[in-house]
Amino acid sequence: NAGVTQTPKFRILKIGQSMTLQCAQDMNHNYMYWYRQDPGMGLKLIYYSVGAGITDKGEVPNGYNVSRSTTEDFPLRLELAAPSQTSVYFCASTPSAGGLVGELFFGEGSRLTVL
Amino acid sequence: GIQVEQSPPDLILQEGANSTLRCNFSDSVNNLQWFHQNPWGQLINLFYIPSGTKQNGRLSATTVATERYSLLYISSSQTTDSGVYFCAVGSNYGGSQGNLIFGKGTKLSVKP
Repeated sequence: NAGVTQTPKFRILKIGQSMTLQCAQDMNHNYMYWYRQDPGMGLKLIYYSVGAGITDKGEVPNGYNVSRSTTEDFPLRLELAAPSQTSVYFCASTPSAGGLVGELFFGEGSRLTVL
Repeated sequence: GIQVEQSPPDLILQEGANSTLRCNFSDSVNNLQWFHQNPWGQLINLFYIPSGTKQNGRLSATTVATERYSLLYISSSQTTDSGVYFCAVGSNYGGSQGNLIFGKGTKLSVKP
């Protein structure tokens, strides 16, 4: 069972470059999330999606974009990378029923360094 | 938005000891989960517990939603329990459906 798969696991970017972090889940979950975790800190929500075609901003959306064209995929786009975006990025998914969000499943994380 | 506070921020235990971790939240929630982040960074869901009590082996959790707190109990701790424990809460009220907010975590170190 693959669960939530993130790629790449590691990436080094130069300031001003752009890239996309990929996230895919095979559990048919309708809710998906992107979090970032800075060293020694908790997780901060960047964007989330409650279903294909629907996305919403979290706590720290600036500098990022997302799309959700399918239930399975939720890519995170970084435009004009800045050192402040150096972090570990986690994708997560969860089922929902009757408007209630269920148990959250995380990918293994993508470590991004911007130099 | 909802504020989540976890205590203590750091905890050092001798192997075999018991501990209680606390999560306070500032508003009504209908979603509360506990996670363990191991030293390799992997996040594992321990409990989905918006209310009541659950147990899984040496771990148990209790959420008192009306008083806005949750407790995670670790009994007979082992070195493999080391890592960071996070509480995350969410609410379907006020248009925030699906938005899960994390606390800053409790860093646990279990010494052999």
